[in-house]
Amino acid sequence: DAKTTQPTSMDCAEGRAANLPCNHSTISGNEYVYWYRQIHSQGPQYIIHGLKNNETNEMASLIITEDRKSSTLILPHATLRDTAVYYCIVRVDDSSASKIIFGSGTRLSIRP
Amino acid sequence: DTGVSQDPRHKITKRGQNVTFRCDPISEHNRLYWYRQTLGQGPEFLTYFQNEAQLEKSRLLSDRFSAERPKGSFSTLEIQRTEQGDSAMYLCASSRGGGSVTEAFFGQGTRLTVV
Repeated sequence: DAKTTQPTSMDCAEGRAANLPCNHSTISGNEYVYWYRQIHSQGPQYIIHGLKNNETNEMASLIITEDRKSSTLILPHATLRDTAVYYCIVRVDDSSASKIIFGSGTRLSIRP
Repeated sequence: DTGVSQDPRHKITKRGQNVTFRCDPISEHNRLYWYRQTLGQGPEFLTYFQNEAQLEKSRLLSDRFSAERPKGSFSTLEIQRTEQGDSAMYLCASSRGGGSVTEAFFGQGTRLTVV
């Protein structure tokens, strides 16, 4: 699986949009971009994933650049409960039985 | 609750003792993963199963560690002769797999403290 690069930490004001970047310059054509987050003392939680089109769900939006070398996770209206470590992961199609490799993630702090 | 469940949530053991953790995945999920996480680090992959077959093991899984999934449902992770360095959160996850891109669902983890 391709490696990803994320900032170590970020902060955002409550109610504002939180934009978390991720670089994955060595991503292959069959690798998807996944985002998970981990709130303190809990297991990681799936947020969203995409291949090349932008995706949106009830939790967040995922913007993938046209060359697929980077992406941004957007939390449109951050709340204090969004304080967590956010992991950007790239992995092949699940039919290849790929494991999920986590990096160090971005520690997002939401300030009141 | 139909999520991934892990038991126990916390375990304190003396160095040299054996410990066993259990993971019950979401019932229709055929893939099951074990991870280890130490403070301030992301989860580290240990091993995963497709049904009852153990398909991959990390180099982190020393010979003191063994994982099983005998009937393709629940899984156990055993650590023999525990060491202080084994202190960590042990996470289990499951996913459907089998040809479609799916997310993995994680349990709350078992926190092991070796004293």
